[in-house]
Amino acid sequence: QVQLQESGPGLVKPSQTLSLTCTVSGGSISSGSYYWSWIRQPAGKGLEWIGRIYTSGSTNYNPSLKSRVTISVDTSKNQFSLKLSSVTAADTAVYYCARAIAAAEDWGQGTLVTVSS
Amino acid sequence: SYVLTQPPSVSVAPGQTARITCGGNNIGSKSVHWYQQKPGQAPVLVVYDDSDRPSGIPERFSGSNSGNTATLTISRVEAGDEADYYCQVWDSSSDQGVFGGGTKLTVL
Repeated sequence: QVQLQESGPGLVKPSQTLSLTCTVSGGSISSGSYYWSWIRQPAGKGLEWIGRIYTSGSTNYNPSLKSRVTISVDTSKNQFSLKLSSVTAADTAVYYCARAIAAAEDWGQGTLVTVSS
Repeated sequence: SYVLTQPPSVSVAPGQTARITCGGNNIGSKSVHWYQQKPGQAPVLVVYDDSDRPSGIPERFSGSNSGNTATLTISRVEAGDEADYYCQVWDSSSDQGVFGGGTKLTVL
């Protein structure tokens, strides 16, 4: 069973860039036909799909975030990453990484990122 | 962009059947996935591709999808089923994943 673990700063200042990494264990990030995804959830609210990267490296992003989001993969470290630039308080949320074929089958535990000065 | 509409809440007595709907324009032409999320935990996939269950998910969880409505059905509801449930699809017109707003299932 593959496991995913998010890591990164829990506090980011407004206008700065949020950077998170998802470490995959129990399987190679470059094997199989998977989408490696990021999803977030503000406190007390619903899930928001951020974007995904395919094993081949192709990406899809939420159009509402596309201008600020970059998702990349580092196969040598079995990790994939999220960068979200020019953050505001509205970006405060629990951020999840997930592995998907179509549905998100495996999820990390989530990490809270707070945007505040 | 594509919109998925869920009722904010559904209540059901133990042992009864809960039905949670997910509305969307011609959603029957898309594959719908359902997630269960308990407080403080990550979501768990309970139904994928409209009606398939991942291994380890009880048969009490089932799904259907037709026309403009997809439905997650939970039979013989237990107290442990109390959670938020989210539907999700892939919107190929905008190449993005879309989640419904979520439904809080309360077991009376």
